Amino acid sequence: EVQLVESGGGLVQPGRSLKLSCAASGFTYSNYVMAWVRQAPTKGLEWVASISTGGGNTYYRDSVKGRFTISRDNAKNTLYLQIDSLRSEDTATYYCAKPFDFWGPGTMVTVSS
Amino acid sequence: DVVLTQTPSTLSATIGQSVSISCRSSQSLLHSNGNTYLHWLLQRPGQSPQLLIYLVSRLESGVPNRFSGSGSGTDFTLKISGVEAEDLGVYYCMQATHAPLTFGSGTKLEIK
Repeated sequence: EVQLVESGGGLVQPGRSLKLSCAASGFTYSNYVMAWVRQAPTKGLEWVASISTGGGNTYYRDSVKGRFTISRDNAKNTLYLQIDSLRSEDTATYYCAKPFDFWGPGTMVTVSS
Repeated sequence: DVVLTQTPSTLSATIGQSVSISCRSSQSLLHSNGNTYLHWLLQRPGQSPQLLIYLVSRLESGVPNRFSGSGSGTDFTLKISGVEAEDLGVYYCMQATHAPLTFGSGTKLEIK
């Protein structure tokens, strides 16, 4: 059974950093492109970033370029999202996705002083 | 960026009623490789999204066949033939033909 479980969310102050993790199991993780998608409270879905199977190619939405870093560890079957210089508009539930047939339950990030 | 416009934004249906949701794209979603990367997702209340339909009309494994997708180019439709109570939630179309990947704003299905 495919499972994606995110962790690392929480309440953080503006300007601080956070690293989200997504533990994957039940499929050959290293064979799949992976993605992060976020959803602000009461809002729709917004793609954030994607990463190629080997990790050598990464893609970001314009509004997070330079602040977000997606990475993966294929030996640990884990996806990461490093978020720097957090802003209030980054407040959202962050979903890890095996595009797009499997999604994790999400981890909530709240940016507030 | 490709804009996906979903209509209606809210839909109210009785059990057994058939309904349709439209998704119109600001650009053709036909990729140069011949595929059209238009997918449909359902997000039930309090849950993460689940894939219903991929590549316009292909039913994801385990999804009931009352769901169907159609369309081409810039106009796409999701149809539910006989709504059931478990179908309530927000439906999103999404496209992965053009970077960046984008989602429609969602259609909330309510059960009368």
